[in-house]
Amino acid sequence: SQTIHQWPATLVQPVGSPLSLECTVEGTSNPNLYWYRQAAGRGLQLLFYSVGIGQISSEVPQNLSASRPQDRQFILSSKKLLLSDSGFYLCAWSPTVQYPGANVLTFGAGSRLTVL
Amino acid sequence: TQLLEQSPQFLSIQEGENLTVYCNSSSVFSSLQWYRQEPGEGPVLLVTVVTGGEVKKLKRLTFQFGDARKDSSLHITAAQPGDTGLYLCAGVRGSQGNLIFGKGTKLSVKP
Repeated sequence: SQTIHQWPATLVQPVGSPLSLECTVEGTSNPNLYWYRQAAGRGLQLLFYSVGIGQISSEVPQNLSASRPQDRQFILSSKKLLLSDSGFYLCAWSPTVQYPGANVLTFGAGSRLTVL
Repeated sequence: TQLLEQSPQFLSIQEGENLTVYCNSSSVFSSLQWYRQEPGEGPVLLVTVVTGGEVKKLKRLTFQFGDARKDSSLHITAAQPGDTGLYLCAGVRGSQGNLIFGKGTKLSVKP
């Protein structure tokens, strides 16, 4: 069965410090990978998605970047955190089959980031 | 502009009551999904609806996709405290588009 791991679960960082959140998927090959941010009252915002190694698409301009160094590894990074980067970050994967209803997401448990 | 509007935003009811939450849009979706999220965890898929007018049942939960594939509803019969959580709808435009999420309905079921 497929599993998704995301870490760290909780992070408190000062403004201006770097960030690295990691996500790995097991039990599947060539998944689509996603990073979402969930802020109170704003719902789930798609930040980045990847359809393959080294292929990253950004949905919104921001202080963050993403990388996919291996097929089942997705990393969210920042060189200098801002207060507005605080939030709940969710990694997710979906299969690559292309038919209606197939784009189902399986989410990790999330990473709570507080920037002080 | 929010593409998918969910209502109500908050709902607090007593155990045993019935409820309906809505997910509305002016756009057509090829499919629509419902997720439930508990505090501090990631959302978990409940159901996917693909065909206009489709109705799916999951125990006490009934999901309906509108005939025009622009809206959906979730009805819970005899709610239980275990139903408490954030209910999110998400739509896909086209066969390969990314999911677009609503802001969710936060449900609290009191014993």
